[in-house]
Amino acid sequence: KNQVEQSPQSLIILEGKNCTLQCNYTVSPFSNLRWYKQDTGRGPVSLTIMTFSENTKSNGRYTATLDADTKQSSLHITASQLSDSASYICVVSAESGGGADGLTFGKGTHLIIQP
Amino acid sequence: NAGVTQTPKFQVLKTGQSMTLQCAQDMNHEYMSWYRQDPGMGLRLIHYSVGAGITDQGEVPNGYNVSRSTTEDFPLRLLSAAPSQTSVYFCASSYVLAGENTGELFFGEGSRLTVL
Repeated sequence: KNQVEQSPQSLIILEGKNCTLQCNYTVSPFSNLRWYKQDTGRGPVSLTIMTFSENTKSNGRYTATLDADTKQSSLHITASQLSDSASYICVVSAESGGGADGLTFGKGTHLIIQP
Repeated sequence: NAGVTQTPKFQVLKTGQSMTLQCAQDMNHEYMSWYRQDPGMGLRLIHYSVGAGITDQGEVPNGYNVSRSTTEDFPLRLLSAAPSQTSVYFCASSYVLAGENTGELFFGEGSRLTVL
């Protein structure tokens, strides 16, 4: 069964500090991995996509990594801001099969940035 | 560009009542889906559609019906609401390449449903 595990479940850090969120997956055959940001009371929004051939990709203060051999991805946030407080969801796409629609969701990491 | 629009944003029902959550997208996406989000459970797929006239069940379809008569609209129907259906519901759409869901989901703002 395809699975996506995220850690930690929740994280509290001080404004200005860095943090790293983890995503481990057992989805096959792998197509791509996306990180979504979900602000409180809003729908998730895609931050970045990682394909099999990509190791690192940056989007402003967000840097995602992918290790396809160990089936792990991380999302690193640099110099955190209060607006980074949100849930971060890892979603892995299978080329076929996988979940009913080819997508497997992690349960998310709830990040709180304290001033 | 409106994106994905869900209505209503909030709804309170009594057990046994029926209702429809509306979802519309203006991006001409073939793929549309409904999720429910509960604390500690993450997003769970209820039903999805890969095009007009085509629907399929997701992980938690019981108690919900869908139809897709147009590319733009994908309503979710609760036939006889139960307290277990209290949740936040999200509609999403995505484009398809070579028959595969690309995985870039565009979500609506959510509909908060309480069943008493």
